[in-house]
Amino acid sequence: AQSVTQPDIHITVSEGASLELRCNYSYGATPYLFWYVQSPGQGLQLLLKYFSGDTLVQGIKGFEAEFKRSQSSFNLRKPSVHWSDAAEYFCAVGRASKIIFGSGTRLSIRP
Amino acid sequence: NAGVTQTPKFRVLKTGQSMTLLCAQDMNHEYMYWYRQDPGMGLRLIHYSVGEGTTAKGEVPDGYNVSRLKKQNFLLGLESAAPSQTSVYFCASSSGLTGNYGYTFGSGTRLTVV
Repeated sequence: AQSVTQPDIHITVSEGASLELRCNYSYGATPYLFWYVQSPGQGLQLLLKYFSGDTLVQGIKGFEAEFKRSQSSFNLRKPSVHWSDAAEYFCAVGRASKIIFGSGTRLSIRP
Repeated sequence: NAGVTQTPKFRVLKTGQSMTLLCAQDMNHEYMYWYRQDPGMGLRLIHYSVGEGTTAKGEVPDGYNVSRLKKQNFLLGLESAAPSQTSVYFCASSSGLTGNYGYTFGSGTRLTVV
């Protein structure tokens, strides 16, 4: 069965600290991989995507993600978080019209 | 600004009432989607459309109907609302079936069924 797992429901990090959000997936073929961010009361915004090639992809707002085929993972990272990064983050995987979203990780920033 | 517009933003319905949620996009996207978002469950696909006049069922289609009479509009209907349909509904569109450019999302409709 196809699935996306974000094991951390809620993470709190200090402003200026590094961040890593985990995403693991189960999919029959190599899927397209995405990270989205949702600010309170807003829709989802695409942070970055991976289709093929270099397994380290850069996105907007200083985020990056690394695809590890052997671990079926696509973790999101940021070297130094800002208070404005507080939001909910969704990993998504899929192909064609079937994009599956994870249940999300809520990020809080400690001043 | 180009994007996806959802109306209304908020709605309270009584059980058994009907309503239609409207999604409009001005990016000439072929593909449009309706998702519902519930706490701890991420987004689940209700219905989608790969072009004008076509619709298909997603993961959780029961209790909903959709129509895509015009390329830019995708309507989601609830014929007889139930409390289990209390949720936040998001519309999205994309230029490719694979979502090569990712999805563009609307800002959501918060629906409460009492």
